[in-house]
Amino acid sequence: NAGVTQTPKFRILKIGQSMTLQCAQDMNHNYMYWYRQDPGMGLKLIYYSVGAGITDKGEVPNGYNVSRSTTEDFPLRLELAAPSQTSVYFCASSAWTGRLAGGPGTDTQYFGPGTRLTVL
Amino acid sequence: QKEVEQNSGPLSVPEGAIASLNCTYSDRVSQSFFWYRQYSGKSPELIMSIYSNGDKEDGRFTAQLNKASQYVSLLIRDSQPSDSATYLCAATSISGGYNKLIFGAGTRLAVHP
Repeated sequence: NAGVTQTPKFRILKIGQSMTLQCAQDMNHNYMYWYRQDPGMGLKLIYYSVGAGITDKGEVPNGYNVSRSTTEDFPLRLELAAPSQTSVYFCASSAWTGRLAGGPGTDTQYFGPGTRLTVL
Repeated sequence: QKEVEQNSGPLSVPEGAIASLNCTYSDRVSQSFFWYRQYSGKSPELIMSIYSNGDKEDGRFTAQLNKASQYVSLLIRDSQPSDSATYLCAATSISGGYNKLIFGAGTRLAVHP
């Protein structure tokens, strides 16, 4: 059971280049998330998905795109890399079973190992 | 006010002491709260979740939730150097009918021998 996997582990991009960060999970989770973490900071939500074909913006979506064609995969696309996108990117997944109005539910998020991206 | 706020620290405690980590939250998050531990260069890992008012204990860890005062805390008893890490507080945010986690900036804990 691999859990959440991310590739690549490290990448250096030049300004204006594009790339796709890959994320896959084998736990049949409906929810998947992309976060970025800048040095000494917490996690900022970029995009999330509640199931195949459904995605929505998080706190910091500008400069990124996502798609979710299968339950397992949730790639993050950077079209025109900028130095401000230098960060560590984490993918996560969860199986939300709680009531939409709040209250307890099984919404533990499991994180991948991260991708360290540098844009020069 | 930010949705989830934490003191960035560092919080320095001697080995064997109790480490107390605090987190406050706004009305914009719901009633599910989580503590994640993150070692330097690693991904966050869940150590505790709490949904109801009061205390929840798991080994050396105790999570406390006070909904009236809108704070959640994590106590680590008998702190060990291996507990040195950044502790992230997170709360569930329900918007548009969908569940998301909002993270605080994290508190760095240093346990010294």
